[in-house]
Amino acid sequence: NAGVTQTPKFQVLKTGQSMTLQCAQDMNHNSMYWYRQDPGMGLRLIYYSASEGTTDKGEVPNGYNVSRLNKREFSLRLESAAPSQTSVYFCASSATGMRTGELFFGEGSRLTVL
Amino acid sequence: QQPVQSPQAVILREGEDAVINCSSSKALYSVHWYRQKHGEAPVFLMILLKGGEQKGHEKISASFNEKKQQSSLYLTASQLSYSGTYFCGTPTNTGNQFYFGTGTSLTVIP
Repeated sequence: NAGVTQTPKFQVLKTGQSMTLQCAQDMNHNSMYWYRQDPGMGLRLIYYSASEGTTDKGEVPNGYNVSRLNKREFSLRLESAAPSQTSVYFCASSATGMRTGELFFGEGSRLTVL
Repeated sequence: QQPVQSPQAVILREGEDAVINCSSSKALYSVHWYRQKHGEAPVFLMILLKGGEQKGHEKISASFNEKKQQSSLYLTASQLSYSGTYFCGTPTNTGNQFYFGTGTSLTVIP
C-alpha cells in the first residue's frame, strides 16, 4: 500500500537552478494537488489537477509549473529556483474534488534553495 | 481567505479535554480537519458537510455552524498520541481552491 509517493525527499539547490518534484499515487484517484508548507503559514495550494489532462492554479502558483502526465503522476517543476521557494512540498490526491474529498498526502519533499 | 484557528497552542495532561476552533470569513460548504505530527504529512481526521453530515474519526468529534461560518473540533480524554498540529481546511464553493487554517499545536503530556 504505497499510497502517494514523492521523490526526492530532500534536495538542495542553488539560486537559478531548476528541478522537478515527482509524485505518483496508486489509489486510482482523479484529483491531485501540490502544496507548500512554511513555518507559520500552514499549507498553501500551488497547483491542482481535478482530472487527467487538466491543471489549474492554486493560491501561490508563481514560479512553478506542473504536468499531469497520466492519471497516476503529477509533477511540479521549478524553472529557476529562488530562496523564497525553500519549503516543504507535499503532493496529495483525492478520489473526488476538494469540496468533499479526503486528501491523502505524500511524505513531503524538503527543498532548500541557497 | 485562510481560516483562523484558536487557540494557537495548547498543552494538556493525559485525560483532559480540548476544543479547537476554526473560523472563516467566507461561507462554508464543508470543513475538513487534519492532524500533522512533527516531520510527517497531514492525516485526515474528519469532514463536516453542509447539512450536518459528518464523516471521520471515531474518538474525535466536531461541530459545524454554517450560519456562523465556524467549526470546532472536540478532543475528549486526550491521549499522548493526540499530540500534533491540527489544521482545519475549507474549500471554496466552486471547489477550485482549498484553504488550510493557521494551525493549532496540541501537546499532551503524561
